Amino acid sequence: ETGVTQTPRHLVMGMTNKKSLKCEQHLGHNAMYWYKQSAKKPLELMFVYNFKEQTENNSVPSRFSPECPNSSHLFLHLHTLQPEDSALYLCASSHFGQGESYEQYFGPGTRLTVT
Amino acid sequence: EDQVTQSPEALRLQEGESSSLNCSYTVSGLRGLFWYRQDPGKGPEFLFTLYSAGEEKEKERLKATLTKKESFLHITAPKPEDSATYLCAVINNAGNMLTFGGGTRLMVKP
Repeated sequence: ETGVTQTPRHLVMGMTNKKSLKCEQHLGHNAMYWYKQSAKKPLELMFVYNFKEQTENNSVPSRFSPECPNSSHLFLHLHTLQPEDSALYLCASSHFGQGESYEQYFGPGTRLTVT
Repeated sequence: EDQVTQSPEALRLQEGESSSLNCSYTVSGLRGLFWYRQDPGKGPEFLFTLYSAGEEKEKERLKATLTKKESFLHITAPKPEDSATYLCAVINNAGNMLTFGGGTRLMVKP
């Protein structure tokens, strides 16, 4: 596969469930990102990992827990979510470092519905 | 705090009717300005990066330009398949976090 892949593409979960979103990039990048996209709102950055180290946590509630085991894989662990967490969750990757352009390439997203 | 504002929110064009989308930004040291295209239910697709005022980039019917305060995405003779939401984003010199605008939803009717 090429580019950035995300699984699952669609997820319905109850408020008491625990689930995980997976992202994999095949672009040789060293930075990965999670974004949330809700209707009528701009893309919101959630987490940033540079060289597998989390560098940003944009005031995200603790019911969202990221994990980056290596520079190609990124997970978002979900537990006790609220209905307002229903959204499209997007993963992206880019180069990071001196002289890099930081263009981010996005996966297709996971459409999450919390019931 | 970096800010990006896109206008209009929605734009309806007839096929072949050229127009421009606007992206106004304030940023503490611009590293780059990015344009993306997003189709419904899909992730944003990278289009262009602009780095400095006066720079222009073209791809098929799209042309992006940059000044010190705004960027324009010009669409020449659009086709229905150009219908999508176009997103603008900036990165400052301090890091690698994108700040996105709200997008312009473009609808091109045949």
